[in-house]
Amino acid sequence: KQEVTQIPAALSVPEGENLVLNCSFTDSAIYNLQWFRQDPGKGLTSLLLIQSSQREQTSGRLNASLDKSSGRSTLYIAASQPGDSATYLCAAVTDSWGKLQFGAGTQVVVTP
Amino acid sequence: NAGVMQNPRHLVRRRGQEARLRCSPMKGHSHVYWYRQLPEEGLKFMVYLQKENIIDESGMPKERFSAEFPKEGPSILRIQQVVRGDSAAYFCASSPRGTTLYEQYFGPGTRLTVT
Repeated sequence: KQEVTQIPAALSVPEGENLVLNCSFTDSAIYNLQWFRQDPGKGLTSLLLIQSSQREQTSGRLNASLDKSSGRSTLYIAASQPGDSATYLCAAVTDSWGKLQFGAGTQVVVTP
Repeated sequence: NAGVMQNPRHLVRRRGQEARLRCSPMKGHSHVYWYRQLPEEGLKFMVYLQKENIIDESGMPKERFSAEFPKEGPSILRIQQVVRGDSAAYFCASSPRGTTLYEQYFGPGTRLTVT
């Protein structure tokens, strides 16, 4: 059974620092991995989708890497801003229907 | 192109009542997933539907919960005889295809409170 873990559970950094968020999964037979952002009381916003054949994806200040062999994905956010404060979730797809298996998330606070 | 819409955004029910949660997928999307986020827990898959078909309901509690996605209209998640443990945020997501190639787009969620 797939287990998705995100460590740390919470992270606080000063504005301008780069953020590094970790996601690990126990079953390397994933189809893809998706990173989301969730603001308090709100829904999820998709940030990046990495297919199993890819090693990384980039969008603006965001870069996500995927290493299936080690069961890890990392989300990098460059030059963090207070507006980046949110909970970041990773989710792996391990069946062909596309259902997502989520980690518990990393709560990020960027202080001005 | 409007995003995924869910209503109501907040729903309060007394124990024993029924709760109906609605999800309208993005235009052109015919695949819907429901997830539940219990307090202090992560998001868990509940059910995956295509128009008029339930494809995977492996995450649905065996009793009191049902889901449908009719040919016309929104997808409905129905909870009968609600209990306090059903209090949670319920999210739906839609996708143009039920495959692994496409992102899932999430709605804002329905926050159910059972008193």
